[in-house]
Amino acid sequence: KAGVTQTPRYLIKTRGQQVTLSCSPISGHRSVSWYQQTPGQGLQFLFEYFSETQRNKGNFPGRFSGRQFSNSRSEMNVSTLELGDSALYLCASSLEGQGTDTQYFGPGTRLTVL
Amino acid sequence: GEDVEQSLFLSVREGDSSVINCTYTDSSSTYLYWYKQEPGAGLQLLTYIFSNMDMKQDQRLTVLLNKKDKHLSLRIADTQTGDSAIYFCAERRSSNTGKLIFGQGTTLQVKP
Repeated sequence: KAGVTQTPRYLIKTRGQQVTLSCSPISGHRSVSWYQQTPGQGLQFLFEYFSETQRNKGNFPGRFSGRQFSNSRSEMNVSTLELGDSALYLCASSLEGQGTDTQYFGPGTRLTVL
Repeated sequence: GEDVEQSLFLSVREGDSSVINCTYTDSSSTYLYWYKQEPGAGLQLLTYIFSNMDMKQDQRLTVLLNKKDKHLSLRIADTQTGDSAIYFCAERRSSNTGKLIFGQGTTLQVKP
């Protein structure tokens, strides 16, 4: 079974631009979560989607948004990029994000904001 | 608070056992996980333990959970140079969400 895939793997943007990152979960997984990883703040939860609905949201500004499609693929968008948005963005999928489900992570998208 | 605490660095000799410690704050945590991250890579799930268990063994890995002290540990037996990585513990506080709260990670250095 293929693992979680994320595209693109690397991205360079400038301040003020917007960016869209994509995540394809493991086949059959319906829950997708996004995390931001930075050296200073570590791994922080952004949001979780299940059945095309946002189920949980972390403490990030409204510039960070996401969505999930009917095939469970998910995208996250960051508008008006700031230097501090430079990070590794990780996506994780699980069957339903409940009970005994475990989360499997993709390789991440490395975003650099100049 | 939301904090999950880990020591930042551990250095061991190849062949020794490594013990990585983690403390969490929420006594209602349902599941606790250990992930491994190698340079430039995502997170690899190593093992997990449910809150109704005290210990779980999986080949070279042993997880111990002390619910009274909210303390979790990961023991790696016969540590190899390939085990050098950052290890994260994470807790899931509700059985109805996929949200994980991560510690800041412990860098394990294995010297030959």
